[in-house]
Amino acid sequence: DGGITQSPKYLFRKEGQNVTLSCEQNLNHDAMYWYRQDPGQGLRLIYYSQIVNDFQKGDIAEGYSVSREKKESFPLTVTSAQKNPTAFYLCASSIIRGQSPNTEAFFGQGTRLTVV
Amino acid sequence: AQRVTQPEKLLSVFKGAPVELKCNYSYSGSPELFWYVQYSRQRLQLLLRHISRESIKGFTADLNKGETSFHLKKPFAQEEDSAMYYCAPRYSGGGADGLTFGKGTHLIIQP
Repeated sequence: DGGITQSPKYLFRKEGQNVTLSCEQNLNHDAMYWYRQDPGQGLRLIYYSQIVNDFQKGDIAEGYSVSREKKESFPLTVTSAQKNPTAFYLCASSIIRGQSPNTEAFFGQGTRLTVV
Repeated sequence: AQRVTQPEKLLSVFKGAPVELKCNYSYSGSPELFWYVQYSRQRLQLLLRHISRESIKGFTADLNKGETSFHLKKPFAQEEDSAMYYCAPRYSGGGADGLTFGKGTHLIIQP
């Protein structure tokens, strides 16, 4: 069953702690993305990666970190430096534009992070 | 910077009425254009793409290069159409492989 999986679905964190959100895909996609979704603000890009061992900052990367050690996996760490971490986080994957006409993005079900 | 504008945060129409969700994008080469939809408690998913010229769930979207618009339309709204809709142009050579999203329009279909 091909797809993109995020875990956990809900996550609670104490202030001052780092937390890592998991994202795995078995679609053989080169590109992976992390977005933050807040009401009225749409999807804001945190980080993206187009190839293993390489990633780029998006519009709101401060307070976040990522790694891309395997093609299938792109975990996101929300650090204590992130001032307002409570949000809904979405992971996506796609092929690189130009590899095929079919360049739609596939999304995980999301992780809702709450800082308590 | 590449931009996409969805001017309506919230759109409420009655069942059976026509629906139009607006999307304007900044011109930069020839972006691919997509509409994504997020139903309550479901993951964000593709609704339709301009290259296919398809109609999905009664929705169509016409690309108007002169106005740089890609508005989503449906002639007769149904209650199950209530959802968040995102317009997403995909540019070549841009950051994040050009994958950008509008702020979304929350469509509510009233019975």
